[in-house]
Amino acid sequence: KNEVEQSPQNLTAQEGEFITINCSYSVGISALHWLQQHPGGGIVSLFMLSSGKKKHGRLIATINIQEKHSSLHITASHPRDSAVYICAVSGGSQGNLIFGKGTKLSVKP
Amino acid sequence: DAGVIQSPRHEVTEMGQEVTLRCKPISGHDYLFWYRQTMMRGLELLIYFNNNVPIDDSGMPEDRFSAKMPNASFSTLKIQPSEPRDSAVYFCAGSSASSYNEQFFGPGTRLTVL
Repeated sequence: KNEVEQSPQNLTAQEGEFITINCSYSVGISALHWLQQHPGGGIVSLFMLSSGKKKHGRLIATINIQEKHSSLHITASHPRDSAVYICAVSGGSQGNLIFGKGTKLSVKP
Repeated sequence: DAGVIQSPRHEVTEMGQEVTLRCKPISGHDYLFWYRQTMMRGLELLIYFNNNVPIDDSGMPEDRFSAKMPNASFSTLKIQPSEPRDSAVYFCAGSSASSYNEQFFGPGTRLTVL
C-alpha cells in the first residue's frame, strides 16, 4: 500500500512570501494530485501530474518520479490562499486516490 | 454543468437510525468515488464504481455501510444502524475515462450521529 507523507503539517506565512509544500510517496504511481480544501470544506483539484512541472497562476507543482517526491509552490502568497493543501496519489491496481494528511496553510496580511 | 451534487449537506441523527447520503455525479463521468473525512484519519476511500458497478469496496468500514449506483446519474451511501463514530464529512467524487483522471468533488455531507 502506498504511503503518502506531507510536510509541513502546518505552515504560517506572511502575505507575499514564497511557499513550498512537500509530498513524498513510497510506491510507483500513475499520477499525483494536489487538492485544495477551504475552511468551508469544499475540495478542489489544483493539479494532476505524472511528470515534470505544471503552472497555474501563482501555483506551481513539480514532481520527481525517480525520487518519489512532489512539491507545490505558491508565489506571492495571499490571505485567500489560506486553506488545507492535500497531496494524493493514484495508480496500481486500486485505481483510487490515497491521500496525505494535508498541510494547513495560513497566510497573514 | 452544476458540478457534483450531494444531499443532504448536513445531517444530524441519533445513534441507531438509518442514514442515506445521495450523490449525483457530473454527466459523463463513468467513475464515482465515496470518501470519508475525519480529523483523525483524514480522507479515506470507502468504495468506488465504474459504469455503475462496484469495483473496490475494501474501504467500507463494516456491514453497516452499503452503497449502490442504480444508474449513471445517482448513487447512495447508506449507514444502518448509525453510530457516533460514523460522524464525519462524506464526499462523493467523479472522474471520466479512467480512475487516474482528475476527480471532481461534491461539496460533502457533514454527518453527526448523536
